[in-house]
Amino acid sequence: AQSVTQLGSHVSVSEGALVLLRCNYSSSVPPYLFWYVQYPNQGLQLLLKYTSAATLVKGINGFEAEFKKSETSFHLTKPSAHMSDAAEYFCAVSVYGNKLVFGAGTILRVKS
Amino acid sequence: EPEVTQTPSHQVTQMGQEVILRCVPISNHLYFYWYRQILGQKVEFLVSFYNNEISEKSEIFDDQFSVERPDGSNFTLKIRSTKLEDSAMYFCASSEDSQNSPLHFGNGTRLTVT
Repeated sequence: AQSVTQLGSHVSVSEGALVLLRCNYSSSVPPYLFWYVQYPNQGLQLLLKYTSAATLVKGINGFEAEFKKSETSFHLTKPSAHMSDAAEYFCAVSVYGNKLVFGAGTILRVKS
Repeated sequence: EPEVTQTPSHQVTQMGQEVILRCVPISNHLYFYWYRQILGQKVEFLVSFYNNEISEKSEIFDDQFSVERPDGSNFTLKIRSTKLEDSAMYFCASSEDSQNSPLHFGNGTRLTVT
């Protein structure tokens, strides 16, 4: 069975600082990995996905994530945080199809 | 950009009542899903639907739940006799295919069972 662990339920950064949201996965077979963002009162929006092509995946809004098989990690980064990045971020894994297994989410707060 | 729409945004119902949550997936998508998120918990897969039948369902999706695509545009989730523990945010999603295309989620329906 697949699982996802997101380290840190809340992360706070200053505007302009590096954003690093951590995600570790468990899967017995090569996984597909995703990051979704949820703004208040909105649905889940796909930021980026890894599907066994390039290990460094670039997404929308300046975010990127690197798949590291040896560390079973798929951390999300952004070089410079913007106030509009404040939201909840979810890492998810799937093996087959679109039955996603989500992490618990990390709420990102951006301080001015 | 096309989007998945869900109605209503908030539904309040009494325990034991039937509720129907409605979704309009993106028009050229073939795969449809329901997920839910109980307050403070993870987003959980409920069911996937393709070619007018359920392709996969989770343990949560028991006999109290059913899905239907009554026409060419709507996709519904019915809960026959709601329980307090059914209170959650329910997300509909759709995708072009089952593997390589991403899920597009609606904004969710917040179901409150009293």
